[in-house]
Amino acid sequence: DGGITQSPKYLFRKEGQNVTLSCEQNLNHDAMYWYRQDPGQGLRLIYYSQIVNDFQKGDIAEGYSVSREKKESFPLTVTSAQKNPTAFYLCASSIDRGRTNYGYTFGSGTRLTVV
Amino acid sequence: GDSVTQMEGPVTLSEEAFLTINCTYTATGYPSLFWYVQYPGEGLQLLLKATKADDKGSNKGFEATYRKETTSFHLEKGSVQVSDSAVYFCALRLNTGFQKLVFGTGTRLLVSP
Repeated sequence: DGGITQSPKYLFRKEGQNVTLSCEQNLNHDAMYWYRQDPGQGLRLIYYSQIVNDFQKGDIAEGYSVSREKKESFPLTVTSAQKNPTAFYLCASSIDRGRTNYGYTFGSGTRLTVV
Repeated sequence: GDSVTQMEGPVTLSEEAFLTINCTYTATGYPSLFWYVQYPGEGLQLLLKATKADDKGSNKGFEATYRKETTSFHLEKGSVQVSDSAVYFCALRLNTGFQKLVFGTGTRLLVSP
């Protein structure tokens, strides 16, 4: 079955360390997205990518970095510059090229905790 | 800009009660509308969608009708279950070019036995 996989489900990081969250999809979707969700809050867009080798900042990109070297993969690095990295991170993907009546498919999320 | 407004939560109901979660939108173009559900500790799942005025999306007993005249897409269910306890997000996506989903802030539903 096609889907979007995030790993790991739980991640612990020491202060001052960079950490990379994995996101892989086998849906042949063009676009991919990273969101951050804090407890009891909505979704905030970190980065998104419409095509391979191209990505754009979202609303809260500071302290994060991404790459899109393959269509299937969109890893997110949380750097030591991110002041409050403890959160639930969600990756999503979507068909595009004008088919915007489709929504997004989400992964099951990675919960990052800074210890 | 484009935006989605949802009713504040939590919405607390007893099992078998009728559910309405209000959603209204502002859009510069002609959007598709979506409801997503998020169970505790999980990602979002598409619950239903509607792509044009007067369309009704439905799934798992939930329904929502695209009302262009009132710019609304209210979520309803006739008889909720404890297992429906979750956070519900309303969202829109414009149908021109590449457009990102615009989400509401989410409404938490708590259903008690």
